[in-house]
Amino acid sequence: QQQVKQSPQSLIVQKGGISIINCAYENTAFDYFPWYQQFPGKGPALLIAIRPDVSEKKEGRFTISFNKSAKQFSLHIMDSQPGDSATYFCATTDSWGKLQFGAGTQVVVTP
Amino acid sequence: EAGVVQSPRYKIIEKKQPVAFWCNPISGHNTLYWYRQNLGQGPELLIRYENEEAVDDSQLPKDRFSAERLKGVDSTLKIQPAELGDSAVYLCASSLDLVGQPYEQYFGPGTRLTVT
Repeated sequence: QQQVKQSPQSLIVQKGGISIINCAYENTAFDYFPWYQQFPGKGPALLIAIRPDVSEKKEGRFTISFNKSAKQFSLHIMDSQPGDSATYFCATTDSWGKLQFGAGTQVVVTP
Repeated sequence: EAGVVQSPRYKIIEKKQPVAFWCNPISGHNTLYWYRQNLGQGPELLIRYENEEAVDDSQLPKDRFSAERLKGVDSTLKIQPAELGDSAVYLCASSLDLVGQPYEQYFGPGTRLTVT
């Protein structure tokens, strides 16, 4: 049973453009919402994370927007660069620290 | 600081053969996780250890999968016998769990298993 639904499955964006990835969750007990970045042949690496008491968090070119009432959160990648080409996973964490991942979004940034 | 180390990086075996994966977590991390990542999907938790104790193994197919974490450091995940559907990347992760802190997990590069 997939607890985190992620879209789109893939996206292509030009260099300098904005990449937007959306996730929806069902369980209101989740209390931590991280995004992971994964390059081919590597394990996922934490990119940015947010707690549900905050509506937005920005770190450099990466921003998480969180809508608690809609049970949705999204990742915005501003000024996308070719080095951002990777697979991005949203995830949820419960109070026990159990991570549940979305299916992933493959982002390709064209020069 | 060294990251999570996994070996081997790649493994090709025939079905019904046994296989084992090894993980060395980040020094000092008390919690260790094994995940399976199928192609085009997110990782799925197989088992979680807090020190030597397996605290969540509800998703581990116990008829063929086993794991151990002796002395609360390194861990081994074993499959016996392997099936075609076991082909996937097996990821190990570790975290230092502190009360009131988010559980930031650090992942190793994974072992890509191909069962023929």
